Amino acid sequence: GDSVTQMEGPVTLSEEAFLTINCTYTATGYPSLFWYVQYPGEGLQLLLKATKADDKGSNKGFEATYRKETTSFHLEKGSVQVSDSAVYFCALSPLGGATNKLIFGTGTLLAVQP
Amino acid sequence: EAGVAQSPRYKIIEKRQSVAFWCNPISGHATLYWYQQILGQGPKLLIQFQNNGVVDDSQLPKDRFSAERLKGVDSTLKIQPAKLEDSAVYLCASSPLRGRSTDTQYFGPGTRLTVL
Repeated sequence: GDSVTQMEGPVTLSEEAFLTINCTYTATGYPSLFWYVQYPGEGLQLLLKATKADDKGSNKGFEATYRKETTSFHLEKGSVQVSDSAVYFCALSPLGGATNKLIFGTGTLLAVQP
Repeated sequence: EAGVAQSPRYKIIEKRQSVAFWCNPISGHATLYWYQQILGQGPKLLIQFQNNGVVDDSQLPKDRFSAERLKGVDSTLKIQPAKLEDSAVYLCASSPLRGRSTDTQYFGPGTRLTVL
């Protein structure tokens, strides 16, 4: 079945460091891909998404490119801030079918130190 | 625009007791989802409604879990009787359209359930 695999955390970085969180997926066809973020004490919120191959999603300095040849959707940011400390979830939504449920990875905790 | 509302935020019960969670989606959103998030895992879909009809409940443990969405607006999720393994955060989400793969889902703050 469809699944998402993302790198395990925690990822600990110093402020202004470069961030990469790896995400790969297994799915039939071409799903939509999402990154959701969960800040401490808050609910899940959409960070960015891409709905077709080679699309790049971007928001708040974060970027991710839908790569169908490597079935990947890695999250990157050039310079992280302490306020980026959160749990990041990669997810897919299958194309077609009756449901557009999100299938999530296990999440990656990012801790940014000043 | 008000977000997805859920209550209660926290609930502690003993095993074999019953519990109910409530969700009010964003106004006008046709699709409503309930997810279960066990500690250390990503959320897993329990049930999806399109208006007041069920689209997918394949992962809902129907011997103990039930959900309804009367009048296509708010929804309740019930567990009866609860087991220890039901300890989790229960997330409600909604989306405005007809449940397409490209839709953004908007999540509520969740209800943290602890079963003792």
